[in-house]
Amino acid sequence: QVQLVESGGGLVKPGGSLRLSCEASGYTFSDYYMSWIRQAPGKGLEWVSYIDRSSDYTNYADAVKGRFTISRDNAKNSLFLQMNSLRVEDTALYYCARVSGYCSGGSCYPGEWGQGTLVTVTS
Amino acid sequence: EIVMTQSPATLSVSPGERATLSCRASQSISSNLAWYQQKPGQAPRLLIYGASTRATGIPARFSGSGSGTEFTLTISSLQSEDFAVYYCQQYNNWPPWTFGQGTKVEIK
Repeated sequence: QVQLVESGGGLVKPGGSLRLSCEASGYTFSDYYMSWIRQAPGKGLEWVSYIDRSSDYTNYADAVKGRFTISRDNAKNSLFLQMNSLRVEDTALYYCARVSGYCSGGSCYPGEWGQGTLVTVTS
Repeated sequence: EIVMTQSPATLSVSPGERATLSCRASQSISSNLAWYQQKPGQAPRLLIYGASTRATGIPARFSGSGSGTEFTLTISSLQSEDFAVYYCQQYNNWPPWTFGQGTKVEIK
């Protein structure tokens, strides 16, 4: 079955950097768009970024644009999120999600989710 | 950006009763709406997509309805494992995908 396992979270000071990883298994990774979604402690869900199958197209939430970079390595079945210039408000559990539906037709949504990796930004 | 508003914030229901959760979009999203269930300490799980299609493995007691701006998730007879937070999410106008703030279904 589909498995998504995130790693790379931790404690970092404001202005610092982290690189999150998500290792996928149980399906053909290169067939699917992928996304990062975050959830601040005790709060709701916030979409962060997504990437298409071949890394040709990426997009970001305004809150992270210019600071975060999404990427993928289809040969290694892995998704990444490089987070720079971190802020206190970036503190959250970061989920990796496989995107379901028909993105080329504009109709897709997070299907399967990993368990998340916690990023804490504090001085 | 489309704003999704869920009501109520908390719903108290007895086991075996019906629960009705609402989600409203700030503009029409056709049927491009998904529902997720999140239990404490767990990742969200996809329940419904296309406003009314159950995801794989989701029990028939979960049903979704609506189109345009008004949507409903109904749990016909609440089981103990259904007490959780439920989120709606639009994917009609994206990016960004936007989520509602969640409805917590708690035991009455």
